Amino acid sequence: DIQMTQSPSSLSASVGDRVTITCRASQTINTYLNWFQHKPGKAPNLLIYAASNLQSGVPSRFSGSGSGTDFTLTISSLHPEDFATYYCQQSFNTPWTFGLGTKVEIK
Amino acid sequence: QLQLQESGPGLVKPSETLSLSCTVSGSSITSGYYYWGWLRQPPGKGLEWIGSIHSGGPTNYNPSLKSRVHISIDTSQNQFSLRLTSVTAADTAVYYCARRVVPDIIPGNWFDPWGQGTQVTVSS
Repeated sequence: DIQMTQSPSSLSASVGDRVTITCRASQTINTYLNWFQHKPGKAPNLLIYAASNLQSGVPSRFSGSGSGTDFTLTISSLHPEDFATYYCQQSFNTPWTFGLGTKVEIK
Repeated sequence: QLQLQESGPGLVKPSETLSLSCTVSGSSITSGYYYWGWLRQPPGKGLEWIGSIHSGGPTNYNPSLKSRVHISIDTSQNQFSLRLTSVTAADTAVYYCARRVVPDIIPGNWFDPWGQGTQVTVSS
């Protein structure tokens, strides 16, 4: 199975901050990488697909980059509604696997 | 707008079978080239893909669960279902259903949208 390692596991930030979350795959996955936002009790929400493509309806402050084994999710200016847990997921090989998540908390 | 909703018992006894359904609304489960999948998140742990099914019948399962999992689809009800046999406490989790989008041109695939999830506890 492809292991996905996210860092940090949690971070504290303020509204307006720039936030960067990284995800590393245990083998090359080209750009087969997706990012999700998850709030407690809600459905996970697709933010970015194929490493850098913004899902329709997702604010432009979210962006993704990377290829191969190293990927980044950036929130350019944190909004109050962005406090959540973020997951990366590889779609290169089954079984599809996820990182353990990065919890973004209010400072 | 496409929506998915999980349903089923919230409590299952050890060694018994967990059965959940996912009702799809807002679009036909047979439209487009999509797979329909199940995922779960045990307490304090990460997300785990369980398996997927296409409306035409093909399925694929996570090898770690393959011997205990069966996913089926009922196009007349616009639903798909999960059966997980011989459950233990390790199967306690929030279970999600989701559509898996498999595009023609862009490489990869992704889960979108997801249901809200349903808590299943395995306990006697």
